[in-house]
Amino acid sequence: QITLKESGPTLVKPTQTLTLTCTFSGFSFSTSGVGVGWIRQPPGKALEWLGLIFWDGDQRSSPSLKTRLTITKDTSKNQVVLTLTNISRVDTATYYCAHRRESGFDSWGQGTLVAVSS
Amino acid sequence: SYVLTQPPSVSVAPGRTASFTCEGDNIGSKSVHWYQQKPGQAPILVISYNSGRPSGIPERFSGSSSGNTATLTISRVEAGDEADYYCQVWDYINDHYVFGSGTKVTVL
Repeated sequence: QITLKESGPTLVKPTQTLTLTCTFSGFSFSTSGVGVGWIRQPPGKALEWLGLIFWDGDQRSSPSLKTRLTITKDTSKNQVVLTLTNISRVDTATYYCAHRRESGFDSWGQGTLVAVSS
Repeated sequence: SYVLTQPPSVSVAPGRTASFTCEGDNIGSKSVHWYQQKPGQAPILVISYNSGRPSGIPERFSGSSSGNTATLTISRVEAGDEADYYCQVWDYINDHYVFGSGTKVTVL
C-alpha cells in the first residue's frame, strides 16, 4: 500500500522560502519509472501542477514556477523536498504530493495548507 | 502553453448519465487522466490513459478521447459522485503536466 504525507510550515511570511517535505512508503525510488509530483490548490480554485522528480533524479517544473521551484529527493529516507523561493500571497494553497506512474498520479497525500501572510 | 478547458458545472439527477468534456488542442493524441475530488479530500484517479479504470473504480465511470475533446461519462449517477472532476495531460512540447479547470458535478 502506497502512502504519502506532506509536512512543513502552515504560515509563511512574504518573500520567505517555503520548504515542504513529502514522506512516503510503499514504493521506492530504486524502481525505474517512479516519480513524485507536487500539486497545489488555492482555496476554492483548481489544481495546479508544480513539478515532478523521477527515480533517476530528473526534475520537471511548471514553466510559471521554474525560476523559484526546486524539488529534491532523499532515497535513503523515502522523502521528497519542495523548495519555493520568494513566497507571496498568491502561493497560499493546499500543497499535495503524489505518486506518479505513467498512468497518472495514483496515490496522493492528504495535503497541507500553507498560508502566506505577514 | 497547453490549455485544457472544462465546463464549470454539470447537474444531473440520480440514476441518469453525466457526460462532460475536456477540450485541448489535439488532445486525442495525448493520454488523458481524470481525477475526482470531493470537498476537503485529496483527488483520486478515476480514469487513466483516456479510458482505463484503476482498481476499485466502478464500471459506471468511463472515458474517451478523440480530436480536440476528451469526455468523462458517469452512468447511473449516485449522490456519492458529487465532486469536482479534473482532466490532466502531459504536454510533450513543454515537458510538463497540465490540469484542466475542473467541472463541478452536482447531483440533484
